[in-house]
Amino acid sequence: NAGVTQTPKFQVLKTGQSMTLQCAQDMNHNSMYWYRQDPGMGLRLIYYSASEGTTDKGEVPNGYNVSRLNKREFSLRLESAAPSQTSVYFCASSGGQLSEHEQYFGPGTRLTVT
Amino acid sequence: AQKITQTQPGMFVQEKEAVTLDCTYDTSDPSYGLFWYKQPSSGEMIFLIYQGSYDQQNATEGRYSLNFQKARKSANLVISASQLGDSAMYFCAMREGHTGGFKTIFGAGTRLFVKA
Repeated sequence: NAGVTQTPKFQVLKTGQSMTLQCAQDMNHNSMYWYRQDPGMGLRLIYYSASEGTTDKGEVPNGYNVSRLNKREFSLRLESAAPSQTSVYFCASSGGQLSEHEQYFGPGTRLTVT
Repeated sequence: AQKITQTQPGMFVQEKEAVTLDCTYDTSDPSYGLFWYKQPSSGEMIFLIYQGSYDQQNATEGRYSLNFQKARKSANLVISASQLGDSAMYFCAMREGHTGGFKTIFGAGTRLFVKA
């Protein structure tokens, strides 16, 4: 049981480049989330998807887009990367039968924008 | 607007002693959930405990308990019998709404150091 997987684990981009962070969960969860964590800070919600087919903005959505491709997959796209987007990005999911409240997190993607 | 405040940037505790990590929150929604997560130096986020706003009793999970004082809007984490492996960052979080995928906000965290 893989839980929540994220690819890639590390990425270096130049300013202006684009990329997509991939996230998949195999727990049949309804809800999925994207967070960023800057050094010494807590997590800030970028976007979330309460169920397949819906997405909503979180605290810091500017500069990002998301796609809930199906129930399993939720991707985060940076169209034109900026140094301010250097961060660790976490994907999470929740809404299973055993624990509807707990969010299960992926291992994170460390992104550096130069 | 939602808000989570953790006022202790760092805490020290002696091994085998209990420690309380503070968390206060602010919301106008009567239905919300409160969480605590642990983040060791390896970086993963580990769920510890959950408290719903309508839950009558304080949540407990093994050595973790949540001291929920609704009127004071506080949700402090108590770790009993601290272990060296408890050294980590601890985050308090809140989600409005009681089920499903709702916005969740995190506090800035408290770094706990357990001394041998």
